[in-house]
Amino acid sequence: NAGVTQTPKFQVLKTGQSMTLQCAQDMNHEYMSWYRQDPGMGLRLIHYSVGAGITDQGEVPNGYNVSRSTTEDFPLRLLSAAPSQTSVYFCASRRSGEMTEAFFGQGTRLTVV
Amino acid sequence: GDSVTQMEGPVTLSEEAFLTINCTYTATGYPSLFWYVQYPGEGLQLLLKATKADDKGSNKGFEATYRKETTSFHLEKGSVQVSDSAVYFCALMIDRGSTLGRLYFGRGTQLTVWP
Repeated sequence: NAGVTQTPKFQVLKTGQSMTLQCAQDMNHEYMSWYRQDPGMGLRLIHYSVGAGITDQGEVPNGYNVSRSTTEDFPLRLLSAAPSQTSVYFCASRRSGEMTEAFFGQGTRLTVV
Repeated sequence: GDSVTQMEGPVTLSEEAFLTINCTYTATGYPSLFWYVQYPGEGLQLLLKATKADDKGSNKGFEATYRKETTSFHLEKGSVQVSDSAVYFCALMIDRGSTLGRLYFGRGTQLTVWP
């Protein structure tokens, strides 16, 4: 059972470069989200989606884009990387409805130099 | 807006000690409440949950009771083990209206248990 798969696990970027963090889930979950985890800040919501073709901004969306063309995939794009985007990124998915469990990927550790 | 406040860590305990990690919330509606745990190098995984006032969630010896009057969901365990060393996150969800699909997390509390 794959669950939520994130790639890559590690990435180093130079300031100004762009890249896409991949997230795929095989549980047919409607909801998917991207979080960043920084020391002392917990998990902050970047963008989320409640279904294919529907996305919305979370708490810290600036510098990131998302799209949701299929139920399975929810890529996160960094348009022009900045050192402030150095973080660990987690993708999560869950079924719609209250009290549903969120399943997390293993994370992507991104360093921007 | 909706938010979660957790006690700051780190928390360091000896094996078999009693654990409490405080969590309070602010929400405009009636949220579902969760505790997630993150072991080193891994993603988060659900530890326990509760959906309405006075519900008690429990798993692996951990418990938390949904207290509407104090807007709290404190995590407790009577006797911790070294294997409980991890980061614990309190979270809330209100799956209606403008907050549909959102899951809000606290800042996390690092727990270290020594043998």
